Amino acid sequence: DAKTTQPTSMDCAEGRAANLPCNHSTISGNEYVYWYRQIHSQGPQYIIHGLKNNETNEMASLIITEDRKSSTLILPHATLRDTAVYYCIVRDYAGKSTFGDGTTLTVKP
Amino acid sequence: EAQVTQNPRYLITVTGKKLTVTCSQNMNHEYMSWYRQDPGLGLRQIYYSMNVEVTDKGDVPEGYKVSRKEKRNFPLILESPSPNQTSLYFCASSFTGPYNEQFFGPGTRLTVL
Repeated sequence: DAKTTQPTSMDCAEGRAANLPCNHSTISGNEYVYWYRQIHSQGPQYIIHGLKNNETNEMASLIITEDRKSSTLILPHATLRDTAVYYCIVRDYAGKSTFGDGTTLTVKP
Repeated sequence: EAQVTQNPRYLITVTGKKLTVTCSQNMNHEYMSWYRQDPGLGLRQIYYSMNVEVTDKGDVPEGYKVSRKEKRNFPLILESPSPNQTSLYFCASSFTGPYNEQFFGPGTRLTVL
């Protein structure tokens, strides 16, 4: 099963881009990369996902390296409300989902 | 409103007393899953179900049972709870396929004394 590794914490200035990295070097060809965030102990909130192409939605962008061994979540203009724990997840066709331990992002004024 | 509901939200119990945490979704999702989250850690998958009557073990299935008799419900059963099962539990659901996002419930905080 693929594992994910994330930095424990990061800071970002309000209004600047937040770039959160994730290593998933053991990912297999049919596994998707997902990003979720969790505020306090609430249920995780979906942000974005992708297989091998870069993806963008109204919340964020996802950059996946060509070899798929790592990815970066980009929050283009971080706000104080983006302060949360961000999880990188690998999900396969069988339904197994592997979470990393998450990155605590603190957005500072 | 489309949602995943869990009951109870909070539970304090004693070692060995069987309990069930219910999970229900109203989005007609085929896939459902249970996770546990311990302090400072990410979520770890306990069991998942691709459809009715189909269940598979996740990474930490020991001490838990599940059943999927109906599409909308996926209860988590602890036959003989122990203190090391004190944790925050989340249920999630999605349409089948890894390209479909999972929707998470609000969580159940379980304490086993």
